[in-house]
Amino acid sequence: AQSVTQPDIHITVSEGASLELRCNYSYGATPYLFWYVQSPGQGLQLLLKYFSGDTLVQGIKGFEAEFKRSQSSFNLRKPSVHWSDAAEYFCAVAPYNNNDMRFGAGTRLTVKP
Amino acid sequence: ETGVTQTPRHLVMGMTNKKSLKCEQHLGHNAMYWYKQSAKKPLELMFVYSLEERVENNSVPSRFSPECPNSSHLFLHLHTLQPEDSALYLCASSQDLSTGSYEQYFGPGTRLTVT
Repeated sequence: AQSVTQPDIHITVSEGASLELRCNYSYGATPYLFWYVQSPGQGLQLLLKYFSGDTLVQGIKGFEAEFKRSQSSFNLRKPSVHWSDAAEYFCAVAPYNNNDMRFGAGTRLTVKP
Repeated sequence: ETGVTQTPRHLVMGMTNKKSLKCEQHLGHNAMYWYKQSAKKPLELMFVYSLEERVENNSVPSRFSPECPNSSHLFLHLHTLQPEDSALYLCASSQDLSTGSYEQYFGPGTRLTVT
């Protein structure tokens, strides 16, 4: 069965430090991959997506993610975190259509001043 | 209004009440979704509509009844809910499932509390 795992429930980083949020998926073929961010009291905002092609994907707000087929991973990175990046981050996978998009449990990011 | 809007943003209802959640998308999309987001649990896909036809119902109890009168509007009718139904209900939309563009755009959600 298709699934997505975010191993880290909560991560704390200092402002200006680099960030990497992990995402692993289990699926028979390479699915479509997404990262979303959710600020408190808000819906989910798409940060970036991977469908095919270049395995390093650039997104909004300075985020990027790298697809590694051999590791079934799609980790999210940012070289320098800002206080406004504090939020919940969700990795999601979907097969060829959207009927069965699966979300990870989320990683809550806290940014220390 | 732009994007995906949801009303109300907050709702408190008793177990015997009947209420409805409304979602409207202004993106020209043809697919719409209802998700349930509970604390400590991953997002749960509830219903999917494509071109106003329901294409997915993920074993959702019948006390939740969706309605999609047109491609821009989606409703979730609620009746005889249980306290465990308290959650954030998120609506999303995307291009039609056959076009190859699969990002979903989310509304801000309705925070539902069942007393």
